[in-house]
Amino acid sequence: EDQVTQSPEALRLQEGESSSLNCSYTVSGLRGLFWYRQDPGKGPEFLFTLYSAGEEKEKERLKATLTKKESFLHITAPKPEDSATYLCAVQEGEGSQGNLIFGKGTKLSVKP
Amino acid sequence: DAMVIQNPRYQVTQFGKPVTLSCSQTLNHNVMYWYQQKSSQAPKLLFHYYDKDFNNEADTPDNFQSRRPNTSFCFLDIRSPGLGDAAMYLCATSRDLASWGETQYFGPGTRLLVL
Repeated sequence: EDQVTQSPEALRLQEGESSSLNCSYTVSGLRGLFWYRQDPGKGPEFLFTLYSAGEEKEKERLKATLTKKESFLHITAPKPEDSATYLCAVQEGEGSQGNLIFGKGTKLSVKP
Repeated sequence: DAMVIQNPRYQVTQFGKPVTLSCSQTLNHNVMYWYQQKSSQAPKLLFHYYDKDFNNEADTPDNFQSRRPNTSFCFLDIRSPGLGDAAMYLCATSRDLASWGETQYFGPGTRLLVL
């Protein structure tokens, strides 16, 4: 059973067309939720950490939010350079070693 | 700039021929991780070192081993690569383990091809 589910698997947007990516999770005792950006053939690049429900973080055209069961990554007026796979990962608490559990990612394509 | 470095970026090996991938970090982090990522899949944790303490994931095949000779370097050894081991191998570091929301920082990855 997947503990971290990202949707949609792929998203195609026109430049300037705002949208949201979803990450839902079922782990207990969440310590942190992380968003990464991964370009083809490269390692994940850290974007945000969210710790508690209601928290929001922003960076340029990206805004991440967190509830008790899911997180959203909002992309406002995206540009072609925002095209990448966006990975969500959660860090368990309650007796775990704090390892990250990754979702499979959302592949975003932004067309000019 | 402090960073995580992986060498080589691309590695070609033959079926059954041992191969070693390397990772170094200038962040002075205590924890180093190795992940395997296959195409369009989530990164899968193989093992991690907390300082010199090695922690193997339960489902990591025995074919995969790791060494951490000092704080800065960590190696991934694949003793007898099979075709199914072709993947991107990612090294990551974090300052500490099992603390509140410690961020992991990833290197650029090594793409392994098994012929």
